Amino acid sequence: NAGVTQTPKFQVLKTGQSMTLQCAQDMNHEYMSWYRQDPGMGLRLIHYSVGAGITDQGEVPNGYNVSRSTTEDFPLRLLSAAPSQTSVYFCASSYGGQGDSNYGYTFGSGTRLTVV
Amino acid sequence: AQSVTQPDIHITVSEGASLELRCNYSYGATPYLFWYVQSPGQGLQLLLKYFSGDTLVQGIKGFEAEFKRSQSSFNLRKPSVHWSDAAEYFCAVGGFNQGGKLIFGQGTELSVKP
Repeated sequence: NAGVTQTPKFQVLKTGQSMTLQCAQDMNHEYMSWYRQDPGMGLRLIHYSVGAGITDQGEVPNGYNVSRSTTEDFPLRLLSAAPSQTSVYFCASSYGGQGDSNYGYTFGSGTRLTVV
Repeated sequence: AQSVTQPDIHITVSEGASLELRCNYSYGATPYLFWYVQSPGQGLQLLLKYFSGDTLVQGIKGFEAEFKRSQSSFNLRKPSVHWSDAAEYFCAVGGFNQGGKLIFGQGTELSVKP
């Protein structure tokens, strides 16, 4: 099992450019999420999905779009990159269910994005 | 408001000493509680989780955590720290029927002295 795979691992963008961060999981997880990690701020939720075709905003959604056309994939799109979006981005997935003993997010290894 | 507070930004302990990392949460419903560990340049690894039942939960790598509802706390402990435990530790809270959303604390960086 590959788990949660994020690509690319590193990316440098110029202000105003757009790009897509890819996330794929092979565990048939219902839930998927995107977080950004900034020093001293922990992880903040950008967008999340509870299943194919269903997405919702998290704490810091501005400047990002997502879609979930399949269970496996959950790409994150930066529409017009800004220096404030310089961060490390993590994708995560989990089984759904209520009180499911398997519930608990598996994280990808991250994408380090720099916007200049 | 829902939040997680980890009061200690950085902790240094000697190898072999005991460890306790603090976590306090504010959550309006029954919380699901997690501790994750992150080594430099790596993703997050789940150490342990609490949903219900026994308030003392055991995790991987010899860690345990105790849920205290009256104190809104979920502190992480280890009896004897190893140099390989040096990392950043994150406490997180989620909830029933919350779409899998997790709220993270700011993290505690652990250094281990030889």
